[in-house]
Amino acid sequence: ETGVTQSPTHLIKTRGQQVTLRCSSQSGHNTVSWYQQALGQGPQFIFQYYREEENGRGNFPPRFSGLQFPNYSSELNVNALELDDSALYLCASSLAPGYMNTEAFFGQGTRLTVV
Amino acid sequence: GIQVEQSPPDLILQEGANSTLRCNFSDSVNNLQWFHQNPWGQLINLFYIPSGTKQNGRLSATTVATERYSLLYISSSQTTDSGVYFCAPYNQGGKLIFGQGTELSVKP
Repeated sequence: ETGVTQSPTHLIKTRGQQVTLRCSSQSGHNTVSWYQQALGQGPQFIFQYYREEENGRGNFPPRFSGLQFPNYSSELNVNALELDDSALYLCASSLAPGYMNTEAFFGQGTRLTVV
Repeated sequence: GIQVEQSPPDLILQEGANSTLRCNFSDSVNNLQWFHQNPWGQLINLFYIPSGTKQNGRLSATTVATERYSLLYISSSQTTDSGVYFCAPYNQGGKLIFGQGTELSVKP
């Protein structure tokens, strides 16, 4: 059984550019959630995808968007990058959404630096 | 939304010592997870514990949902226990809400 994998592991972008981060969910999991973790802070919920539909969104602007594919892998897209978008982006997968009482498992993260 | 408060924010221990990390949350929750974040940033699952007590080796956790807190016990600490420990209850929408974490440093 493969775990949650994210790519790339590190990325440097220039302010104003766009970025796409990728996440492969754990085998058998149909729910993917994305989190942003700024330095010294706890992770903040961005949004969740369940069976290819958005299933909840945190307090992030529309330039943060996502997608889930039929194989349940997912992408996080950020447009018009700002310096404050520099953070560790974490992806979590689970068998079902959290209100169905299932455990979440995280990937190793993508560290994004915006210069 | 639910607020999560972890204490202490920082903890320095000598190898072999025991410790208790606390997590208070402001609203009722159905489930809660504890994680250890390693120096490379990965969140490692420690416990999935809606209520009661669970043990895994030198670690154990207790959640008292009715009183809105959870505790993580680390016994006979080792240098490899160093890192940040996060408590994350699930909100009513089923999303993990993280505290600020407890940064643990275990000295040899």
